[in-house]
Amino acid sequence: DAGVTQSPTHLIKTRGQQVTLRCSPKSGHDTVSWYQQALGQGPQFIFQYYEEEERQRGNFPDRFSGHQFPNYSSELNVNALLLGDSALYLCASSFGNNYGYTFGSGTRLTVV
Amino acid sequence: GIQVEQSPPDLILQEGANSTLRCNFSDSVNNLQWFHQNPWGQLINLFYIPSGTKQNGRLSATTVATERYSLLYISSSQTTDSGVYFCAVEGGFSGYSTLTFGKGTMLLVSP
Repeated sequence: DAGVTQSPTHLIKTRGQQVTLRCSPKSGHDTVSWYQQALGQGPQFIFQYYEEEERQRGNFPDRFSGHQFPNYSSELNVNALLLGDSALYLCASSFGNNYGYTFGSGTRLTVV
Repeated sequence: GIQVEQSPPDLILQEGANSTLRCNFSDSVNNLQWFHQNPWGQLINLFYIPSGTKQNGRLSATTVATERYSLLYISSSQTTDSGVYFCAVEGGFSGYSTLTFGKGTMLLVSP
């Protein structure tokens, strides 16, 4: 049973560029959440997608946007990259409220 | 929003020692998970434990929801236990919610 898969694993971008990160949820999961983890910090919630719509959003600017596809996979897009966007981006999938979240290995984004 | 506090922030142990990590939260929860973050960044789920006690090998966890805390016990620690341990909770209020993480406990187990 495949877990949560994220791509790419590492990425280097230049300030001002745009980036797209991808996530495939665990089989049977229908909800995808994205988190940003800065060095030495706990993960911070960005947004959550369910039934192809953004269901909840954390305290992140509109430069951060996302999408969920009919097969439940998801993308995270970040426009006009800043140096401060350098972080580990984690995707988590879940089903309902009774079984917890499963996380992927993350995408490490470096903005130079 | 819900607040999550973990203690201690750092812990250094000799191999074979036991340890207890604590997680306090500020509101009722319907989900609490303990994670171990490996050196590559992946969050490995250790326990889904909104209440009660669970054990998995050398690890066990207890959540006392009425007193808003959870404990993670590591017995006979090994060097492979090193890493960051996170507690994350999901609020118990109606409607949708997501995981809120503590700042983590950095554990170093030396041989």
